[in-house]
Amino acid sequence: GENVEQHPSTLSVQEGDSAVIKCTYSDSASNYFPWYKQELGKGPQLIIDIRSNVGEKKDQRIAVTLNKTAKHFSLHITETQPEDSAVYFCAASILYTGANSKLTFGKGITLSVRP
Amino acid sequence: DTEVTQTPKHLVMGMTNKKSLKCEQHMGHRAMYWYKQKAKKPPELMFVYSYEKLSINESVPSRFSPECPNSSLLNLHLHALQPEDSALYLCASSQGGGSGYTFGSGTRLTVV
Repeated sequence: GENVEQHPSTLSVQEGDSAVIKCTYSDSASNYFPWYKQELGKGPQLIIDIRSNVGEKKDQRIAVTLNKTAKHFSLHITETQPEDSAVYFCAASILYTGANSKLTFGKGITLSVRP
Repeated sequence: DTEVTQTPKHLVMGMTNKKSLKCEQHMGHRAMYWYKQKAKKPPELMFVYSYEKLSINESVPSRFSPECPNSSLLNLHLHALQPEDSALYLCASSQGGGSGYTFGSGTRLTVV
């Protein structure tokens, strides 16, 4: 099955700096790569996603890049703010027949933004 | 409506109790999921329903019994749970094509 590795496990940055979180996946059949932000006591919230036919996607301060050859994808957050502090999960999805699909998560990273 | 609603938000149950978790979505998504999340860990897939039929069961113990009454509802029936089953149980739904997953806020389950 799919295996998603996420590094590092914790990241601390100064407010205003950029943060980069990297993930690798193992199954070349994976074709959808979302990133989730999870705050304490809440469910994961989708912040950005990318499909395998796209190399980069940007939404305001957040961007995601995908390298299919190397099987890795990264989340870039610019101009970090204290409210960006949370646990971030990368994930990879394999599409099966019909609506079947399976989302596998990385272990998560705790991002702390120092004021 | 772009939400997945889960009830209850918190549940405490004894090991001999029977309880149910409920999940509802009105986004027209045809796939629905149950995930289990332990503290400081990623969500782990339990079940996948596709077009109201169980399509993936990740070798979950029979004390967890899923049910999909219709395309908008997903239940998880709990019976004879163990303390180690205490966790955050998340429901999610997705569009076809394996994308667009939306998660609910979860049910925090404590087994005593």
